[in-house]
Amino acid sequence: EVQLVESGGGLVQPGRSLRLSCVASGFTFDDYAMHWVRQAPGKGLEWVSGISWNSGRIDYGDSVKGRFTISRDNAKNSLYLQLNSLRAEDTAFYYCAKDTLYNYDSTGYFDYWGQGTLVTVSS
Amino acid sequence: QSVVTQPPSASGTPGQRVTISCSGSNSNIGSNYVFWYQQLPGTAPKLLIYRNDQRPSGVPDRFSGSKSGTSASLAISGLRSEDEADYYCATWDDSLSGRVFGGGTKLTVL
Repeated sequence: EVQLVESGGGLVQPGRSLRLSCVASGFTFDDYAMHWVRQAPGKGLEWVSGISWNSGRIDYGDSVKGRFTISRDNAKNSLYLQLNSLRAEDTAFYYCAKDTLYNYDSTGYFDYWGQGTLVTVSS
Repeated sequence: QSVVTQPPSASGTPGQRVTISCSGSNSNIGSNYVFWYQQLPGTAPKLLIYRNDQRPSGVPDRFSGSKSGTSASLAISGLRSEDEADYYCATWDDSLSGRVFGGGTKLTVL
């Protein structure tokens, strides 16, 4: 059974940093690209970032480019998201999502999702 | 503001057929596949339709997807109370070089 378990969320002040983690199980982690998707409370889904199986391809949504960094450790079956220079508008549930491809592109999609971890940015 | 547009709400009565639209442009829907996700209250999204009109195993055939030009639609026939959820279309945007979601449609079963 595929499982994705996020952690690392919490309350943080504007301008500070946070690191999210996602531990995967139930599939061969280094065979697939992975993503972070976020959802502000009561709002819609927003793709944040994606990383290919070997970290050779990395992309970010415009709203987080230059502030967030995605990474993965295939030996630990883990995906990470480093959030820097946090703003109030970054407050959201952050979901880890598995891709169907090893190097994501227009033909792939998110087939499994974690339950999310809540990041609240407030003073 | 998303580059892909959905109506914020839709509704229907049990047994009815409802459709949810998703409108984009040549750089996204017009040249790429469309996917649909269902998000029940308090849960993570779940894949409903992939590659425009394909249903994953386990998804009832009451759900169907279609695409024409720069628009796509999700149809739900034989509406049930358990279909009350938020529905999101998603695609790839060539200009942004990334995945994009529609703003979501909240479906109410009256």
